[in-house]
Amino acid sequence: EAQVTQNPRYLITVTGKKLTVTCSQNMNHEYMSWYRQDPGLGLRQIYYSMNVEVTDKGDVPEGYKVSRKEKRNFPLILESPSPNQTSLYFCASSLSTRTGAYGYTFGSGTRLTVV
Amino acid sequence: QKEVEQDPGPLSVPEGAIVSLNCTYSNSAFQYFMWYRQYSRKGPELLMYTYSSGNKEDGRFTAQVDKSSKYISLFIRDSQPSDSATYLCAMSAYGNNRLAFGKGNQVVVIP
Repeated sequence: EAQVTQNPRYLITVTGKKLTVTCSQNMNHEYMSWYRQDPGLGLRQIYYSMNVEVTDKGDVPEGYKVSRKEKRNFPLILESPSPNQTSLYFCASSLSTRTGAYGYTFGSGTRLTVV
Repeated sequence: QKEVEQDPGPLSVPEGAIVSLNCTYSNSAFQYFMWYRQYSRKGPELLMYTYSSGNKEDGRFTAQVDKSSKYISLFIRDSQPSDSATYLCAMSAYGNNRLAFGKGNQVVVIP
């Protein structure tokens, strides 16, 4: 089954404790992206990657890091989490074309709480 | 002016009613228009995809794009309780993989 897999689904952590949220897709998609979703603010892009070793900032990159060492994986790293990073996080992937965005496939989400 | 505007609702309708959702946008470069459906505790899933202006129909769902007015719509006919979800509009420009999302509209279909 074609899918984007995120882990963990739920995570409670303490301020300052480094964490990684994993994302893997099995569709051979070039484009991958991380979003956070907050009430009243909608989906906001954190980082995206056009292909292996190619990453760039989205709209809200502060406090986050990403890497793209393999095509299928795109982990999100919070080096020193803070309570304002409490949110619902989604990983998404799509084919990358010269014409434009195809529909994204989203993961099921990771609900992160930082206390 | 925000890039994509979507009235967050919520919208409650009785079963069988027509649901009408819309988004406006400011970037005239947008050419690809999508609607996503998001159930509670799930990721968004692609519902409708249209290119440029016009209508597209898929079962009970119709997507309309009016590029001259920078306005897109989604209609759900004969709404069912299973249609209860948040609906997000999204759009992108030619040659750009970035999607701009609306904030989403919560729809509740009452049996």
